[in-house]
Amino acid sequence: DGGITQSPKYLFRKEGQNVTLSCEQNLNHDAMYWYRQDPGQGLRLIYYSQIVNDFQKGDIAEGYSVSREKKESFPLTVTSAQKNPTAFYLCASSTSALAASTDTQYFGPGTRLTVL
Amino acid sequence: AQSVTQLDSQVPVFEEAPVELRCNYSSSVSVYLFWYVQYPNQGLQLLLKYLSGSTLVKGINGFEAEFNKSQTSFHLRKPSVHISDTAEYFCAVRTGNFNKFYFGSGTKLNVKP
Repeated sequence: DGGITQSPKYLFRKEGQNVTLSCEQNLNHDAMYWYRQDPGQGLRLIYYSQIVNDFQKGDIAEGYSVSREKKESFPLTVTSAQKNPTAFYLCASSTSALAASTDTQYFGPGTRLTVL
Repeated sequence: AQSVTQLDSQVPVFEEAPVELRCNYSSSVSVYLFWYVQYPNQGLQLLLKYLSGSTLVKGINGFEAEFNKSQTSFHLRKPSVHISDTAEYFCAVRTGNFNKFYFGSGTKLNVKP
């Protein structure tokens, strides 16, 4: 089955530790995205990548880092610099991020990160 | 930047009653509009989308939405809701120049028996 997988589903982290969230897709999509979801705030874009070895900051990139070494993978690292990391993190992908695209974003099941 | 407003944070409704979830966006030259549904602790699932053509769009699970350019709205409707429709619903807008989505803050639909 084609789709987007995120692991782990639940993640606990101590303050001061970095943690990496996994996102894998087998949809052959060029573009991938990371969102953060907090109650009552909807989704906010952290980082996005249009193509392998390229990525751009979204609206709330501070305290996060990403890599895009393979087309199917877009891991997100939550660093100790992120002041309030407890949230639900969603990964998404789309066929393309090009201007003419009328594409849709497809979402993974999410990872809930809790800082202890 | 584009903004998306979902005025109702929560909508309680009885089973089999009709429901409308409101979504307004800031104006833009061209927009593409989406509604997603999220069940607890899950990702977002696409309900329907407006890209062009007919302003009335039908989606999955009996939902439909109408694009109103003059009012910059894209309200979601269902004529008769079920308990299983209880979830959070997000409106999203994509502008024509880049595949970046702007999401509303969500509306929690609570269907009561």
